[in-house]
Amino acid sequence: DTAVSQTPKYLVTQMGNDKSIKCEQNLGHDTMYWYKQDSKKFLKIMFSYNNKELIINETVPNRFSPKSPDKAHLNLHINSLELGDSAVYFCASSQDAAPNEQFFGPGTRLTVL
Amino acid sequence: AQTVTQSQPEMSVQEAETVTLSCTYDTSESDYYLFWYKQPPSRQMILVIRQEAYKQQNATENRFSVNFQKAAKSFSLKISDSQLGDAAMYFCAYEGANNNDMRFGAGTRLTVKP
Repeated sequence: DTAVSQTPKYLVTQMGNDKSIKCEQNLGHDTMYWYKQDSKKFLKIMFSYNNKELIINETVPNRFSPKSPDKAHLNLHINSLELGDSAVYFCASSQDAAPNEQFFGPGTRLTVL
Repeated sequence: AQTVTQSQPEMSVQEAETVTLSCTYDTSESDYYLFWYKQPPSRQMILVIRQEAYKQQNATENRFSVNFQKAAKSFSLKISDSQLGDAAMYFCAYEGANNNDMRFGAGTRLTVKP
């Protein structure tokens, strides 16, 4: 059983496009996260939702908008994609808010051309 | 699929003492990378240390060092002279050299006692 899943796994798109990455967890967790990993493997938290409510919103361009239709899903929508958005995006979930035991998804590799 | 296991959900260490966090992984690949990340209460992830599997020498970054046992598929993190600021969640991660898929352990919460 996949605990935390992300789709798509790879996403290649042109600058200026709008794209979404989906995340789903079947662990019954209350909290979900989005992280961005750059080419040097540095990992930065972007957003966190607890029971569909935003609890962490780090300094991220407002082109990035998370959406949580229910507590099992946290989708990431990105408008007007830029070259610098190219990265691997990881979704994670935990029972309680970070820092806490978290289960990570497999990552989505976004390439902006 | 590669899996990463951190068998210690919580660990505690006295300030100035040494603590070792365990991590094991499962893979059929011969070339890969291993990482330790720290997530303090600020919630931002910090890359603590990384190890290339083809290097036999254990990586070291100041007070942080690893014990990489390739045959045993073990990658433990040793923190020497523990400081209060070391208190955080620590995540172990694996990345295959061929497919660049990264997998994370669930984390170990480290408490540092004064």
